[in-house]
Amino acid sequence: EIVLTQSPGTLSLSPGERATLSCRASQSVSSTYLIWYQQKPGQAPRLLIYGASNRATGIPDRFTGSGSGTDFTLTISRLEPEDFAVYYCQQYGSSPYTFGQGTKLEIK
Amino acid sequence: EVQLVESGGGLVQPGGSLRLSCAASGFPFSSHEMNWVRQAPGKGLEWISYIGENGNNIFYADSVKGRFTVSRDNAKSSMYLQMNNLRPEDTGIYYCARYWYYYASMDVWGQGTAVTVSS
Repeated sequence: EIVLTQSPGTLSLSPGERATLSCRASQSVSSTYLIWYQQKPGQAPRLLIYGASNRATGIPDRFTGSGSGTDFTLTISRLEPEDFAVYYCQQYGSSPYTFGQGTKLEIK
Repeated sequence: EVQLVESGGGLVQPGGSLRLSCAASGFPFSSHEMNWVRQAPGKGLEWISYIGENGNNIFYADSVKGRFTVSRDNAKSSMYLQMNNLRPEDTGIYYCARYWYYYASMDVWGQGTAVTVSS
């Protein structure tokens, strides 16, 4: 089983600042199958980034995914109020299709 | 409109059973692999099951293997999750999600259905 470890657990920033979220895998993950989701309270997760670096439809360009192998990063260049949420990475390369434990991005 | 709607959740005693349904609309259901993902209260996302387009390939997380059974009826554009021998740790929101090969990810999610396992 591939274990995904996200850091930090909580990130406290202000609107306009830059956010950097990390996802580290216990073994190599094909970039094709590294995904980022955003989840707001009371809502279902929303696809944000697929293939490690491709924005899903309608996702603003302030969201950037990068990385390869075992280290992946989600960067939000200038935080907007609506970006404060929980972010999960997931690998869909091999079953079980594990998620990271999430990073909560909160307003400072 | 592309949509997934879960139903069938509720309160059940430990050891009991529930059957969840996921009704799809707005897209060719038979062309998509599907998944179930759950979320315990205040916790993160946990992938629990996958089913291929024709129901030929099926995978489960270890936490539910032997107790849960996923199935689908392409004629009814629906997927199901039969949950037996339920435990308190199975409590949470259960989401169905569509896999799209183009995105190699789960791009459409339902709103979820709540399951509570308690005496």
